[in-house]
Amino acid sequence: DGGITQSPKYLFRKEGQNVTLSCEQNLNHDAMYWYRQDPGQGLRLIYYSQIVNDFQKGDIAEGYSVSREKKESFPLTVTSAQKNPTAFYLCASSIMGGLGKLFFGSGTQLSVL
Amino acid sequence: AQTVTQSQPEMSVQEAETVTLSCTYDTSESDYYLFWYKQPPSRQMILVIRQEAYKQQNATENRFSVNFQKAAKSFSLKISDSQLGDAAMYFCAGYIGTASKLTFGTGTRLQVTL
Repeated sequence: DGGITQSPKYLFRKEGQNVTLSCEQNLNHDAMYWYRQDPGQGLRLIYYSQIVNDFQKGDIAEGYSVSREKKESFPLTVTSAQKNPTAFYLCASSIMGGLGKLFFGSGTQLSVL
Repeated sequence: AQTVTQSQPEMSVQEAETVTLSCTYDTSESDYYLFWYKQPPSRQMILVIRQEAYKQQNATENRFSVNFQKAAKSFSLKISDSQLGDAAMYFCAGYIGTASKLTFGTGTRLQVTL
């Protein structure tokens, strides 16, 4: 079945630690996105990539980093510079020119120990 | 800049009844697309319906339809014959081609009662 796989489902971060959230898709989509969801704030865009080896900052990129070495994969690293990382993280993908029609993964809940 | 506003944090509807969720948006662009996404308790976002700004006709998908008022920058979602499975968070979102990104509202939690 085609889809987007996010792992792990739950992740805990210690003080000063970097953690990486995985996102893999087998939909052959060109574009991939990372969103952060906080209670009462909807979804906010962290980073997005429209092509391999290229990505752009979203609205809240500080404290995060990404890579896009393969079309299928778009991992997100939450660095120690992100002082409030507790949130639900959603990965999404779309075809080029998808015009907002996104397919989402099932998300990763990140909490601070 | 683009903003999407949902002013109803929570709504409730009885099973088999009709409910309307409100959304307003603001953009200076003429080419844009509007969406309603559903987030059930599983937390996976699902596309419900899409409206192209250049189309005057309101989009419909089975029991879901929109009321798109371009001049008023209003985009409401009507759910007819509500079912227990419709209980979820509903997010309004807008996409502007020049920005290449989707902007979400803060969501409306819909409860469906027997």
